[in-house]
Amino acid sequence: NAGVTQTPKFQVLKTGQSMTLQCAQDMNHEYMSWYRQDPGMGLRLIHYSVGAGITDQGEVPNGYNVSRSTTEDFPLRLLSAAPSQTSVYFCASSNGQGDIQYFGAGTRLSVL
Amino acid sequence: SQKIEQNSEALNIQEGKTATLTCNYTNYSPAYLQWYRQDPGRGPVFLLLIRENEKEKRKERLKVTFDTTLKQSLFHITASQPADSATYLCAREWGGSYIPTFGRGTSLIVHP
Repeated sequence: NAGVTQTPKFQVLKTGQSMTLQCAQDMNHEYMSWYRQDPGMGLRLIHYSVGAGITDQGEVPNGYNVSRSTTEDFPLRLLSAAPSQTSVYFCASSNGQGDIQYFGAGTRLSVL
Repeated sequence: SQKIEQNSEALNIQEGKTATLTCNYTNYSPAYLQWYRQDPGRGPVFLLLIRENEKEKRKERLKVTFDTTLKQSLFHITASQPADSATYLCAREWGGSYIPTFGRGTSLIVHP
């Protein structure tokens, strides 16, 4: 069982470039979410999904887009990268309310 | 908005002692609180969940309490070991979703 898989592990972008962070889970979880983690700031919720076709904004959604066309995949898109988006991004999945969140290994993104 | 507050200062203790970490929340009482462990360069790993109607939960050397009067959860590690050194994160549900929002985490350092 792979669990939650994030790709790439590392990425360097120039300001204004776009990219998609991939997240896939093989546990048939309905709930998926994206967080960013910055030093001293903890994990902050960007976007989340409670099922295929359903997404909603979290605490810090600006500058990011998501879609959920399948149960397994939940990609995060940066349309025009900014240095403020330099961070470590974590994807997580779960079965529902209060259930265990399973996290991926993270994507370390630098925007120059 | 609901917030989770954790002591940002590192907690240093001697091996064998009990470590106690604090998590305070604001606004209404959450349906649950979760505790996670995060090691450097890795995603968080779930440890324990306690629901609003539970006072205490235990798992091996770990114990968590939930005090709705004080709006606080305490996380205890008894007989601490250097391998327990990590950052510990507290989480509650975000808004009306079933997705957790996290505190900034408390770093625990256990000295041999």
